[in-house]
Amino acid sequence: SQQGEEDPQALSIQEGENATMNCSYKTSINNLQWYRQNSGRGLVHLILIRSNEREKHSGRLRVTLDTSKKSSSLLITASRAADTASYFCATATQGGSEKLVFGKGTKLTVNP
Amino acid sequence: DTEVTQTPKHLVMGMTNKKSLKCEQHMGHRAMYWYKQKAKKPPELMFVYSYEKLSINESVPSRFSPECPNSSLLNLHLHALQPEDSALYLCASSQDPGPGGQPQHFGDGTRLSIL
Repeated sequence: SQQGEEDPQALSIQEGENATMNCSYKTSINNLQWYRQNSGRGLVHLILIRSNEREKHSGRLRVTLDTSKKSSSLLITASRAADTASYFCATATQGGSEKLVFGKGTKLTVNP
Repeated sequence: DTEVTQTPKHLVMGMTNKKSLKCEQHMGHRAMYWYKQKAKKPPELMFVYSYEKLSINESVPSRFSPECPNSSLLNLHLHALQPEDSALYLCASSQDPGPGGQPQHFGDGTRLSIL
């Protein structure tokens, strides 16, 4: 079953603009992760935020986590054409196994 | 370049064939995963190996048979597949098994087509 639900399903922006993607989940989590997948390639881990963290940065990426609302957002600042990809959130259930459950993903297109 | 290597990149097989997908990592990771991904969908977990032992089987049909010969290798043996099994098969690894959900490193997958 899908734990995370991203929105929007698709997002198209111009180079230089910021892109925001959201993820909602249903159960208590140990952590939430964001992954990127370029067309025809595997997933690449971007960032992990633990359940006791509220915000995390990595380069042009900013992730927030609101456990009371069971939601997270991924902000990509100053987007580039190379950021064009699908972005997935994935949750690790609190007290669970090494299993990750992936959301449906957001397809981001950055136009040059 | 990814640190998880999957072969072959593409595979076309008939429904009566037997083939195997291979995955290799040399990062010393002790958890390895097989996922199935259909077009425009998220990856769906199939199997998890922890310390070379099968720890999770997500009710996958027996026509898919995983094998972990050693800590660096993961195979997926295929037999009598159906057309609906056509998909991208992804292998991943993470450092330590157990609860917590560690970051996973993915290969670029095998694109499988069943005729």
